[in-house]
Amino acid sequence: NAGVTQTPKFQVLKTGQSMTLQCAQDMNHEYMSWYRQDPGMGLRLIHYSVGAGITDQGEVPNGYNVSRSTTEDFPLRLLSAAPSQTSVYFCASKRLGSNQPQHFGDGTRLSIL
Amino acid sequence: AQTVTQSQPEMSVQEAETVTLSCTYDTSESDYYLFWYKQPPSRQMILVIRQEAYKQQNATENRFSVNFQKAAKSFSLKISDSQLGDAAMYFCASSREGAQKLVFGQGTRLTINP
Repeated sequence: NAGVTQTPKFQVLKTGQSMTLQCAQDMNHEYMSWYRQDPGMGLRLIHYSVGAGITDQGEVPNGYNVSRSTTEDFPLRLLSAAPSQTSVYFCASKRLGSNQPQHFGDGTRLSIL
Repeated sequence: AQTVTQSQPEMSVQEAETVTLSCTYDTSESDYYLFWYKQPPSRQMILVIRQEAYKQQNATENRFSVNFQKAAKSFSLKISDSQLGDAAMYFCASSREGAQKLVFGQGTRLTINP
């Protein structure tokens, strides 16, 4: 029972490098989302998806791209990393149409030098 | 737009005592959900308790309970008989019906003193 799996757990990048954070869930959840966590600011929504082929922007989408080609996977791409993107990133999923809470992955700590 | 505010960056309590963490929110939605998440040093996001806004009865989960004041838009978390394992960052969050897009507060770091 893996739930939501995020890889890698830690990553260090140089400014300008590209990177894809992976998120996979095995619960057949339609809804998936990405959050970033910064000190003193809680978690903020970056992008979300309500199903394969459908994505939308959250509160802080700039500098990030997403795609949803399958129900299981929802990768987050940084095309040109900036120091301001240093953060902890969380992926979460839930079944649409239910009021059950979201399942979170264990997070990816990303440092941009 | 929804907003969530936690005005206590840090709190501490003696082991076995009771502590209350504060949270206020603002929303124009009639149906919404409120949550408390616990984040221990392991970084996991663990759901502690949730409250549906249409329910007047305060939610409880073992030693954790909430005081939901809908008119005041207040949603505090009470931890009774505090244990060392309760030490963590606690986040208050809200969402519209469907519990999808979560809006989080800034967090309160709770320390338990032995």
